[in-house]
Amino acid sequence: QQQVKQSPQSLIVQKGGISIINCAYENTAFDYFPWYQQFPGKGPALLIAIRPDVSEKKEGRFTISFNKSAKQFSLHIMDSQPGDSATYFCAANIGTSGSRLTFGEGTQLTVNP
Amino acid sequence: DAGVIQSPRHEVTEMGQEVTLRCKPISGHDYLFWYRQTMMRGLELLIYFNNNVPIDDSGMPEDRFSAKMPNASFSTLKIQPSEPRDSAVYFCASSSGPPRFFGPGTRLTVL
Repeated sequence: QQQVKQSPQSLIVQKGGISIINCAYENTAFDYFPWYQQFPGKGPALLIAIRPDVSEKKEGRFTISFNKSAKQFSLHIMDSQPGDSATYFCAANIGTSGSRLTFGEGTQLTVNP
Repeated sequence: DAGVIQSPRHEVTEMGQEVTLRCKPISGHDYLFWYRQTMMRGLELLIYFNNNVPIDDSGMPEDRFSAKMPNASFSTLKIQPSEPRDSAVYFCASSSGPPRFFGPGTRLTVL
């Protein structure tokens, strides 16, 4: 059972535009929601994460918006740059050990110059 | 800090052979995770250790897979015997909590 559904599968954005990737989860016990960025040939890297006690978290051009009642969260990349072109994964976890991170399917983002 | 180090980066082997993947976590991290990534199944947690002790190996596909962490600076993932369906990229990650730093991965191809 896929517990974290991610959309879209691929996204093309012009330089300077806003990239938005959405995730929805089912398990209300999830309490940690990270986003990972993966470049070709590299391992994923933690980009930004949020806990459900806040509705938004911003780090530079990256923002997570969290809607607990809808069981949805999204990643917004402002002023998207060609260097942001990568695959982005949302994930969800219960507790702080990170033991059972459930990943979304991934979104391949292409930012055209 | 060199980050999480994995070796080899690429491994091509024939079905039935033993494969050993290696990982050196970031110093000071007490969690180590092994993940597998495929197009069909995405990122899957295989096993994770806390302070060198295996905590959850429920993601290990079957008895052909085994993992060890003899000390805080080294872990291995072994597949014996290997099968074509084991072909994937295997990642090691370390952290002090949820996975933060992943290694570059080992791309395994089993012919």
